[in-house]
Amino acid sequence: SQTIHQWPATLVQPVGSPLSLECTVEGTSNPNLYWYRQAAGRGLQLLFYSVGIGQISSEVPQNLSASRPQDRQFILSSKKLLLSDSGFYLCAWSGIGTGDSPLHFGNGTRLTVT
Amino acid sequence: AQSVSQHNHHVILSEAASLELGCNYSYGGTVNLFWYVQYPGQHLQLLLKYFSGDPLVKGIKGFEAEFIKSKFSFNLRKPSVQWSDTAEYFCAVKVGYQKVTFGTGTKLQVIP
Repeated sequence: SQTIHQWPATLVQPVGSPLSLECTVEGTSNPNLYWYRQAAGRGLQLLFYSVGIGQISSEVPQNLSASRPQDRQFILSSKKLLLSDSGFYLCAWSGIGTGDSPLHFGNGTRLTVT
Repeated sequence: AQSVSQHNHHVILSEAASLELGCNYSYGGTVNLFWYVQYPGQHLQLLLKYFSGDPLVKGIKGFEAEFIKSKFSFNLRKPSVQWSDTAEYFCAVKVGYQKVTFGTGTKLQVIP
């Protein structure tokens, strides 16, 4: 069966420090991968999605970037964190080729920028 | 770009009451529609989905949703809610096979 791992679960970082959140998927090949940020009252904001290695679509221009160095690995990064980057970050995957393939979410990372 | 609107931000119902949560999307082309649920302290999980065919789809736990193309709507319904349905509900639209956009969510509180 497929599983998705996301770490760390919680992270406290000072303003101006770098960020690296990692997400890996097991049990499937060539998934679509997604990074969302969830905020109370704002739902899930799509940050990035990827349909293949090295292919990243950015939805919201901001202080973050994403990379997909391997088929089942998706990384969310920042060179210098801002206070406004605090939030709950979710990684998700879906199967390719069928529009009705749902998203499967990781446990999320609670990021606090101080 | 597509967008999703959920007009009910917080709904409070008594057990056995009927539920309808609104979802409207804006996109002129073919879409796939989903409802996800997040129970307190848990992951987001799929409740039901519409891909094609019968516009009335049934999901888990007695939920159903109706796709009305002319109204760009995909409202979620349940005839009789239970306390265990207390959760946050998210409508989502998938364009093509890739991009998935979520609404802002509706918090449902069911009072025993």
